Amino acid sequence: QKEVEQDPGPLSVPEGAIVSLNCTYSNSAFQYFMWYRQYSRKGPELLMYTYSSGNKEDGRFTAQVDKSSKYISLFIRDSQPSDSATYLCAMSGADYKLSFGAGTTVTVRA
Amino acid sequence: SAVISQKPSRDICQRGTSLTIQCQVDSQVTMMFWYRQQPGQSLTLIATANQGSEATYESGFVIDKFPISRPNLTFSTLTVSNMSPEDSSIYLCSVRPGSTDTQYFGPGTRLTVL
Repeated sequence: QKEVEQDPGPLSVPEGAIVSLNCTYSNSAFQYFMWYRQYSRKGPELLMYTYSSGNKEDGRFTAQVDKSSKYISLFIRDSQPSDSATYLCAMSGADYKLSFGAGTTVTVRA
Repeated sequence: SAVISQKPSRDICQRGTSLTIQCQVDSQVTMMFWYRQQPGQSLTLIATANQGSEATYESGFVIDKFPISRPNLTFSTLTVSNMSPEDSSIYLCSVRPGSTDTQYFGPGTRLTVL
């Protein structure tokens, strides 16, 4: 079993829809949770970071962490074609060594 | 955040040769890491580059194959040695600025081994 599980999709939504992405994890030592966006042939770009259970909002993006269920989510409101990318969840413990999910490929149709 | 550059951005190499990838950061950072992203896959940590001491490698990665240097707090190199086609991947460096718990990634080096 992988430490971090993420449905690779692909996920296709119409413009303006809410995109919902999630990951589950098994390592209780994970305490830092991140979402990265990766466009084709580019490096991952940090979107959201959180370290506590609950919700964190930044513009159209909301990150949600439930440590008791070992479950994290990312929601993208009012999705745009420019949001089409691969979204990677990543997490680490106190050693800052990131474990990544498989990545979910998202396409937002105009 | 941090601005990270990598050289080369891409290369095509012959089997049995070695390639050194450079990672440069625009500010001093506490931690630097090297990751590999194989075609169609997610990222896997190769090693932590320690300033002034040997790198710390993850299971499945060894120093003879992936020697790493970190001479100062803004620069690191990763060498992929005695390459085979299975080494064809994107190699990425990341940094953790001391003031944050997050990591920022460079643009990656796309390596193709023939």
